[in-house]
Amino acid sequence: GQNIDQPTEMTATEGAIVQINCTYQTSGFNGLFWYQQHAGEAPTFLSYNVLDGLEEKGRFSSFLSRSKGYSYLLLKELQMKDSASYLCAVRDDYKLSFGAGTTVTVRA
Amino acid sequence: GAVVSQHPSRVICKSGTSVKIECRSLDFQATTMFWYRQFPKQSLMLMATSNEGSKATYEQGVEKDKFLINHASLTLSTLTVTSAHPEDSSFYICSARTGANSPLHFGNGTRLTVT
Repeated sequence: GQNIDQPTEMTATEGAIVQINCTYQTSGFNGLFWYQQHAGEAPTFLSYNVLDGLEEKGRFSSFLSRSKGYSYLLLKELQMKDSASYLCAVRDDYKLSFGAGTTVTVRA
Repeated sequence: GAVVSQHPSRVICKSGTSVKIECRSLDFQATTMFWYRQFPKQSLMLMATSNEGSKATYEQGVEKDKFLINHASLTLSTLTVTSAHPEDSSFYICSARTGANSPLHFGNGTRLTVT
């Protein structure tokens, strides 16, 4: 089975940086994904890591350490529109399982 | 690219009736689609994997006779909630991917309310 843990809530100031951690224990591993979900909407894809290291995409970066079962999503230069839930998801041999999500609130 | 369309976005139905939700891949073919359910403030839970031309694969605890899945073409999967009850009220989201190692792309979801 899958066990994916991430913090429930985080608050940060506009323009700041926030790091959302995700730890996982899975029976198999075929990649880790980060999604953004605004309230009442479907998730949108942010990033994908399958090898160890950092993937950078504009203001968003994601890091993976497979040996530690650990990933983080780094949000830089926070904007008000970044207030959302961020979901860590791990794919094993056949399906994608999601963590409970981290609600990030950006304050002015 | 990789657009997934889901319809309807919202539906209210009476207890005991059935509701059909459609999921279409608009610009790619999807031999496999995934149906998730999300209760308020909870994560997405995979309900079933829809396979084109064959039976769906249901996750443990999901009743296959209650949640009927049909994947008749490479671009369309449907989920029918049969004999709906208030506890079936939830956000249902379908998803598909363009390749085995590609990320999932989600439809906009269907908010089902059973009264």
